[in-house]
Formats: sequence, structure tokens, C-alpha cells
Amino acid sequence: GAGVSQSPSNKVTEKGKDVELRCDPISGHTALYWYRQSLGQGLEFLIYFQGNSAPDKSGLPSDRFSAERTGGSVSTLTIQRTQQEDSAVYLCASSLATDSPLHFGNGTRLTVT
Amino acid sequence: AQSVSQHNHHVILSEAASLELGCNYSYGGTVNLFWYVQYPGQHLQLLLKYFSGDPLVKGIKGFEAEFIKSKFSFNLRKPSVQWSDTAEYFCAVILYSSASKIIFGSGTRLSIRP
Repeated sequence: GAGVSQSPSNKVTEKGKDVELRCDPISGHTALYWYRQSLGQGLEFLIYFQGNSAPDKSGLPSDRFSAERTGGSVSTLTIQRTQQEDSAVYLCASSLATDSPLHFGNGTRLTVT
Repeated sequence: AQSVSQHNHHVILSEAASLELGCNYSYGGTVNLFWYVQYPGQHLQLLLKYFSGDPLVKGIKGFEAEFIKSKFSFNLRKPSVQWSDTAEYFCAVILYSSASKIIFGSGTRLSIRP
């Protein structure tokens, strides 16, 4: 596609429910990143994929967060038993290689009530 | 710990003023450096990047940045800002290690008074 696509664009969920966020990277981009952007905060690194493997998961805030990538393409970020502090914009970005500039999606705005 | 620091959280300038946004990183190894910009209602996009060579790099819209290795800095500059430069600016660094990753600073919100 023309750019990185994320869905849904907005998600409101009740505390304790699970949510799944999806990212479709640009075709051919091998590197895929997930970041979280909270109000007044910068971009918090969550995880990145090189192909289907995740060399660095150090940014995942807790074991309630997990991510996978299949076929070197689509990635899903799953948050189990959501908490109010999980409310943020979750951004996905992809790049041709790990040292190439990132192309960002528009993000998923998650609100946990 | 590896980090990227942007000390200016919110900068307010008048049109035609000069701009300098600070960025410092803490990492002793090889790095590549970026500035990204997020205009209101839009997604993040690349402003400029430094990989190697001339430490003074020029980007889009008249922006430039200088990599000073001894100071671990990569400050963003523009001689004369315009109202359309109102945006949030993020410094980013690739830290080359066994698991290279890109980390971002906390961002600087730039407001330009017309």
C-alpha cells in the first residue's frame, strides 16, 4: 500500500478487557516498530521486529503486552486486561532496514474507561 | 541507560525568529540520528537524518542540524521560522548494538506566533 496502515483508528474499551491493535506496514519493509505516545510524553519504544522475529522486546511495559508479526508483514499488538494507564496513542512504523528512516502510521488512539 | 534528551518541552517564537532545539543522547557506540516532525493532525514524518560524512545536514523546509560527537548532540536549527512550522519535533537515535533500535526523545512543541 501507499503507507503504513493501522486499525482501528480509535478504540474505547472497558478496564479489564483485552484489545488487539493491527499494523500493516509498507510492502517490502522488513523492520517494524511499535511505539506509545501519551499526552505530554514522547514516543515510548515498545518493541521492534526484523522480519518475524523481535530482537528487542525491552520496551513492553508489562507481561500484559505482547506482539507478533506474521509473514514478515502484518503485526498485532495485544494488550490483555487493559488498565486506564494504557490509554495512549499506539504508533506503528516500518522501514526498509533497521538503519532506514521510519514511515509512521496514523496511530490507534486507545481509551480505557 | 541509553536515552535521548530534549530539554525544551515547549518553545514559543514569533515569526522570523531563529530556532534551535536541543537534542542529546547517551550512548557511547555508533549512532545514526534523525529529526522527525509531527504537524497538527498529521502523522510523524522525517525532517532530516545524519548517517555519516558532513556533520551539518540539511533537511526539508530550511531546517538543518549539526552532529557534534564530542557533545553527544544533534541540535536542530532554522534561521527564520514561519507560522507553518508550528508542530512537535522529535529527535531520534538508532543505537547500534546486538539489537539495534530507534529511540526517541520526549519531543519539543513549537508554537509560532503569527
